[in-house]
Amino acid sequence: DAKTTQPPSMDCAEGRAANLPCNHSTISGNEYVYWYRQIHSQGPQYIIHGLKNNETNEMASLIITEDRKSSTLILPHATLRDTAVYYCIHRGILGNEKLTFGTGTRLTIIP
Amino acid sequence: KAGVTQTPRYLIKTRGQQVTLSCSPISGHRSVSWYQQTPGQGLQFLFEYFSETQRNKGNFPGRFSGRQFSNSRSEMNVSTLELGDSALYLCASSLAIADEQFFGPGTRLTVL
Repeated sequence: DAKTTQPPSMDCAEGRAANLPCNHSTISGNEYVYWYRQIHSQGPQYIIHGLKNNETNEMASLIITEDRKSSTLILPHATLRDTAVYYCIHRGILGNEKLTFGTGTRLTIIP
Repeated sequence: KAGVTQTPRYLIKTRGQQVTLSCSPISGHRSVSWYQQTPGQGLQFLFEYFSETQRNKGNFPGRFSGRQFSNSRSEMNVSTLELGDSALYLCASSLAIADEQFFGPGTRLTVL
């Protein structure tokens, strides 16, 4: 069973920041939070991951709460190409457990 | 660097047949994972290989099997195909087991 909870869908206006929340209340201290997205009919694409500090890369920013029980993925200037299903996952740093994808959030960018 | 490649991209089989799907990871990546994606069940983990050894396995029947070769390329096999095996089969590679995974485009299998 998925260990994360995400809203099933969200809309965001083109050019605005898209903020996608994720609850992972059962996360343990040695588990990373990973974000992937899947554009229709393509394989999932890695976006970003973090352990406890906020992270930023060329695609997005990841904000993790101090208690690590939730996080937010931020796409700073959403474009139509960001329309996709976004998955939040957590996995141990040792990698000795299977990766479990939940149902994700279907993000629709509105022109 | 070339991405993860999967062959074939599309496949049609009939019930009872078997099928072999192939995955070539990104150069230098030693871990390969396989997933099944269906509209009803979403993305489900099948198995993960590292250095030719299966390291993790999902909850699928024994009809689903896989292997990894010394060059890190991987194959998965499904025997005695059932209609419910129709799905998009995705392969992902990573440098090591705990690293971020990079997915291929998938093989869409249709079982008639």
